[in-house]
Amino acid sequence: EDKVVQSPLSLVVHEGDTVTLNCSYEVTNFRSLLWYKQEKKAPTFLFMLTSSGIEKKSGRLSSILDKKELFSILNITATQTGDSAVYLCAVASQGGSEKLVFGKGTKLTVNP
Amino acid sequence: NAGVMQNPRHLVRRRGQEARLRCSPMKGHSHVYWYRQLPEEGLKFMVYLQKENIIDESGMPKERFSAEFPKEGPSILRIQQVVRGDSAAYFCASSPTRSNQPQHFGDGTRLSIL
Repeated sequence: EDKVVQSPLSLVVHEGDTVTLNCSYEVTNFRSLLWYKQEKKAPTFLFMLTSSGIEKKSGRLSSILDKKELFSILNITATQTGDSAVYLCAVASQGGSEKLVFGKGTKLTVNP
Repeated sequence: NAGVMQNPRHLVRRRGQEARLRCSPMKGHSHVYWYRQLPEEGLKFMVYLQKENIIDESGMPKERFSAEFPKEGPSILRIQQVVRGDSAAYFCASSPTRSNQPQHFGDGTRLSIL
């Protein structure tokens, strides 16, 4: 059965800190790994990664995938209080269903 | 450019009643997915539909739950004879016809069972 494990489960930092969120996975026929940010409502899409070693970047957020070691990291630099959220990692496998398998998420709290 | 629309946002039902949750995908998206989120848990896949077809329902409980995505109108997730354990947030996502595209989520329906 496909599995996604995120760590840490929760993290409290001060504004301006840099954080690294981890996601490891076991999946049959890996196709892609996705990161989402969830505040009170809808998970918001951040990144989709399909190839090892290629960093995706959007402002202060970046992510990279290691398909050999089966993990991904999400980095947030110069954190702001608005970054406080649950960050979800999910994987999709090839063949048939397009379903995503999610980890439990990392709850990030950024204090002023 | 409207996103994924779900309604109602909140739904309260008594045990034994039926719950109907609606989802309209983003414009141009033909794939719809339903996920359930329990407190302190990640999202769990329930069902994947295309217009008039159920593609994968491996995450749906065998009884009381059904889903449809008719040719016209929104996708419906239907829960019959609700029980307390059905209390959760139900999220709908959609993606375009081309495969390996990110899914975009609606704001969810919070179902509470009294």
